[in-house]
Amino acid sequence: DTAVSQTPKYLVTQMGNDKSIKCEQNLGHDTMYWYKQDSKKFLKIMFSYNNKELIINETVPNRFSPKSPDKAHLNLHINSLELGDSAVYFCASSQDRRANTEAFFGQGTRLTVV
Amino acid sequence: AQSVTQLDSQVPVFEEAPVELRCNYSSSVSVYLFWYVQYPNQGLQLLLKYLSGSTLVKGINGFEAEFNKSQTSFHLRKPSVHISDTAEYFCAVSDRLIQGAQKLVFGQGTRLTINP
Repeated sequence: DTAVSQTPKYLVTQMGNDKSIKCEQNLGHDTMYWYKQDSKKFLKIMFSYNNKELIINETVPNRFSPKSPDKAHLNLHINSLELGDSAVYFCASSQDRRANTEAFFGQGTRLTVV
Repeated sequence: AQSVTQLDSQVPVFEEAPVELRCNYSSSVSVYLFWYVQYPNQGLQLLLKYLSGSTLVKGINGFEAEFNKSQTSFHLRKPSVHISDTAEYFCAVSDRLIQGAQKLVFGQGTRLTINP
């Protein structure tokens, strides 16, 4: 009964390819996020959506495009993959968009670009 | 811009010993403070958070943290650790003034290794 689930868990692909990572939450939360964790375990926010509306868009290459078809789903599409995109991507959700709310994280998607 | 510094990248401790994981933050505004734990091959899980009130915050799994405003610190402690506490621990802050969105700023993480 996973709260925040991401697919796939592992993704190995060649440079230049386009790939998508899917995320779903069954917690009834309004807000969802994408975080990137690099090889040094450093976590940084990429995007946040609240009720399908984009509310945070950090300095991320426009090859990365999030899409939220409904408030329970937030997918991440990446075009023209580069070696530097290799990382673990975490989806998260929170009850609402307040700064003091708890974030619930998925298990992560380990993306390896070769 | 906010930043979070976790002073130790790795902390090895013997089982049943006490542990302290250090976290300092740099901010010109008030922040909310969080500690998250990441077990191997899993996502992050909230251990505890400081919003307001008592500076000593108790969390899950016997962990606690103390907010020190003058030192801009939020150190995590446990009086007696178990093998199962082996994990990566992340300190994070979010800006109180940005109520329209939560943007967690994380520290670099501290790898806690419990030895038998």
